[in-house]
Amino acid sequence: DAGVIQSPRHEVTEMGQEVTLRCKPISGHDYLFWYRQTMMRGLELLIYFNNNVPIDDSGMPEDRFSAKMPNASFSTLKIQPSEPRDSAVYFCAIGSGTKGDEQFFGPGTRLTVL
Amino acid sequence: AQRVTQPEKLLSVFKGAPVELKCNYSYSGSPELFWYVQYSRQRLQLLLRHISRESIKGFTADLNKGETSFHLKKPFAQEEDSAMYYCALRSGGSNYKLTFGKGTLLTVNP
Repeated sequence: DAGVIQSPRHEVTEMGQEVTLRCKPISGHDYLFWYRQTMMRGLELLIYFNNNVPIDDSGMPEDRFSAKMPNASFSTLKIQPSEPRDSAVYFCAIGSGTKGDEQFFGPGTRLTVL
Repeated sequence: AQRVTQPEKLLSVFKGAPVELKCNYSYSGSPELFWYVQYSRQRLQLLLRHISRESIKGFTADLNKGETSFHLKKPFAQEEDSAMYYCALRSGGSNYKLTFGKGTLLTVNP
């Protein structure tokens, strides 16, 4: 299932480094979501886009986090500088306002910040 | 603010036993409720939605507005049902934001 491609699948970095997570969704879906999954907090929505425009970024934890969607087939989530508490699995998901309310998730990126 | 609560982090049952995964929500309007499932080494995927009133893989879930609950049930659990289950809420309309519970890890023992 290549509906949503995320890269890298695993990332290990040191505290203070910049981390960029990438998402490549298939075409035909006008919504894109970034989630973070941790044992303590479960699955949290960070930000979502509609037609490449950020709609709700209230879940972005702090200014160290930023997300962009320059076109319909690419999005990035950047953390700068990274901290150990950012360690989590980050998911990208897509949805469509015209094709129903189901969200299709990518495989996730497991981030470890040492 | 909307909130979804799944009181059980872990649930373990034997094969053939009934299973119920609890989900309670807090929302002042008329929400749409979903169950998502993540099997081992697979992506998170939609299991069922309350508006469809469907049974998927033997699972059903009924929205109880009086009790603000959307519990997931299956009369006879199978080993392949072992997975992480997430209850999710959407406020409806043009808002596509999903609020997830923290999830319940279901283990079905042979």
